[in-house]
Amino acid sequence: AQTVTQSQPEMSVQEAETVTLSCTYDTSESNYYLFWYKQPPSRQMILVIRQEAYKQQNATENRFSVNFQKAAKSFSLKISDSQLGDTAMYFCAFMKLGALFYNQGGKLIFGQGTELSVKP
Amino acid sequence: GAGVSQSPRYKVAKRGQDVALRCDPISGHVSLFWYQQALGQGPEFLTYFQNEAQLDKSGLPSDRFFAERPEGSVSTLKIQRTQQEDSAVYLCASSLATALVGRSDEQFFGPGTRLTVL
Repeated sequence: AQTVTQSQPEMSVQEAETVTLSCTYDTSESNYYLFWYKQPPSRQMILVIRQEAYKQQNATENRFSVNFQKAAKSFSLKISDSQLGDTAMYFCAFMKLGALFYNQGGKLIFGQGTELSVKP
Repeated sequence: GAGVSQSPRYKVAKRGQDVALRCDPISGHVSLFWYQQALGQGPEFLTYFQNEAQLDKSGLPSDRFFAERPEGSVSTLKIQRTQQEDSAVYLCASSLATALVGRSDEQFFGPGTRLTVL
């Protein structure tokens, strides 16, 4: 079974600074995806960034980037130039790839979350 | 609509009552997921549909939980004889799903239904 662990329940950062959220996972699978989702207070969960395990290059999306260390099973999220709107719960999630010829739209396995506060 | 919608947004039930939670996925999305999110925790998988077929219900915590998607669009999660431990936010997500190998399909989440069992 796969597990996802986020060891930082809460973090805070000053506006415009950089913060890194940690995530480790455990799996025996070789093909999978990793995600970071953002859940603002009382708002819907949205995808921040995704990483395919077979890609060595770390994914980036504007101010968001990941440090994917497959051997160490580590997947951290770096947020640069933090903004007040980045305040939210952040969840790391794992998804196993589906069967060879049909993507079964795999279920997400989430970590416990990190509550990030961006302070002015 | 443009996104996944869920109703009701809030539900208060007395212990022992039955509840039904509705999910309207994004039009054309084949895959539909239900997750349970306890307070201060990450979502946990409950069940998954591909069109009207329930392909995975391994996460349903007991036989009091039942989900259906009879026409492959709207889905209903039913909880019978609710217990206090059922109090949580129930999230629905949908994805397009394709037959392409190695393609991940982003799951789009609804706002959730917050269930409180007294």
